[in-house]
Amino acid sequence: GAVVSQHPSRVICKSGTSVKIECRSLDFQATTMFWYRQFPKQSLMLMATSNEGSKATYEQGVEKDKFLINHASLTLSTLTVTSAHPEDSSFYICSASPAVGQETQYFGPGTRLLVL
Amino acid sequence: GQNIDQPTEMTATEGAIVQINCTYQTSGFNGLFWYQQHAGEAPTFLSYNVLDGLEEKGRFSSFLSRSKGYSYLLLKELQMKDSASYLCAVKGNNRLAFGKGNQVVVIP
Repeated sequence: GAVVSQHPSRVICKSGTSVKIECRSLDFQATTMFWYRQFPKQSLMLMATSNEGSKATYEQGVEKDKFLINHASLTLSTLTVTSAHPEDSSFYICSASPAVGQETQYFGPGTRLLVL
Repeated sequence: GQNIDQPTEMTATEGAIVQINCTYQTSGFNGLFWYQQHAGEAPTFLSYNVLDGLEEKGRFSSFLSRSKGYSYLLLKELQMKDSASYLCAVKGNNRLAFGKGNQVVVIP
């Protein structure tokens, strides 16, 4: 089956630092990857849609200068949380859709970010 | 926009059947997904409905009525490992909108 990995799985950082999260599709090519954020007991909220080779499309209310997304290849997208603050502490999850055919999104295992 | 509503929590006994409902409103509809999410983990895909009717996959079945904006997920022969949150997600305008999820607790 389709496998998506994320790295790191957990990160603790100081306020003001930047954190990069990687999302990889391991056994398929993904023209589109999605980045979600989930706060405790809340639903997944889409932050941005990342298309290989082009600029990401951000959802309303998501600061593109704070959450930098790069989708450099068909198997890798990165999310960088710049100048992280405690309110950015959350569960960040990426998903990927295969380049051809399927409607399904396959999710990575998530990255838990704690900003002190 | 999209609005998805799910009940929040239910408890059921091992071996029982539970039905989890989802109602939605969306300006565009390209399918409805059900995902299972264990605490602290990412969602895993369970089912996809784009046409009206019932889709059966082993112990899990999912039903869709597009005219009513309604879907349900049926879990049969409940097992302890089925204790999780079940998320309904509607695809529209090339994005998935998730409900808050329904927490199912399976007891012996």
